[in-house]
Amino acid sequence: AQSVTQLDSQVPVFEEAPVELRCNYSSSVSVYLFWYVQYPNQGLQLLLKYLSGSTLVKGINGFEAEFNKSQTSFHLRKPSVHISDTAEYFCAVSVRVSKLSFGAGTTVTVRA
Amino acid sequence: GAVVSQHPSRVICKSGTSVKIECRSLDFQATTMFWYRQFPKQSLMLMATSNEGSKATYEQGVEKDKFLINHASLTLSTLTVTSAHPEDSSFYICSAGTSGLETQYFGPGTRLLVL
Repeated sequence: AQSVTQLDSQVPVFEEAPVELRCNYSSSVSVYLFWYVQYPNQGLQLLLKYLSGSTLVKGINGFEAEFNKSQTSFHLRKPSVHISDTAEYFCAVSVRVSKLSFGAGTTVTVRA
Repeated sequence: GAVVSQHPSRVICKSGTSVKIECRSLDFQATTMFWYRQFPKQSLMLMATSNEGSKATYEQGVEKDKFLINHASLTLSTLTVTSAHPEDSSFYICSAGTSGLETQYFGPGTRLLVL
């Protein structure tokens, strides 16, 4: 079985500052890794995913994440955030198209 | 591409009634659909996995007789909350995936309020 730990439950950040959301996973087999964003009262939107290949993955809205197999991490970064990036962010892991295991989520609040 | 819709987006019902929520993949065929439940300020909890034409697989602790799932076609899955009670009030989200597509695409969610 696989599991995901998001190390920060809340991340306040000022507009135009960089942000990093930390995600660690555990699994006995190779996994796929995902970051989703959820805006209030909405479903989840895929930000980016790592399936294989380059460990640096670029996603939508200027986000990127780096897969680090030795540290079993998949941290999400954005060099300059906007007010509109205020949302809940979920890291998730899966094996093929099977159960997605989600982290507890990180609330990002961007202040002017 | 890869759009998933849910209907209704919001529903209010009386205790004891049943509510049906539809999940549709609009531009691809979904061999597998998933139903999640999300309580306020919490993560998504998988309720069940459904494959087209077969019975759903429920997660431990989820009552299959209360949460009826039907996946009759490659583009439609339904979740029926039978004899709903106030504790069933929650945000229900579906997702869809296909074999060979290692990603789930999520619907916008359905907010259920049981009075």
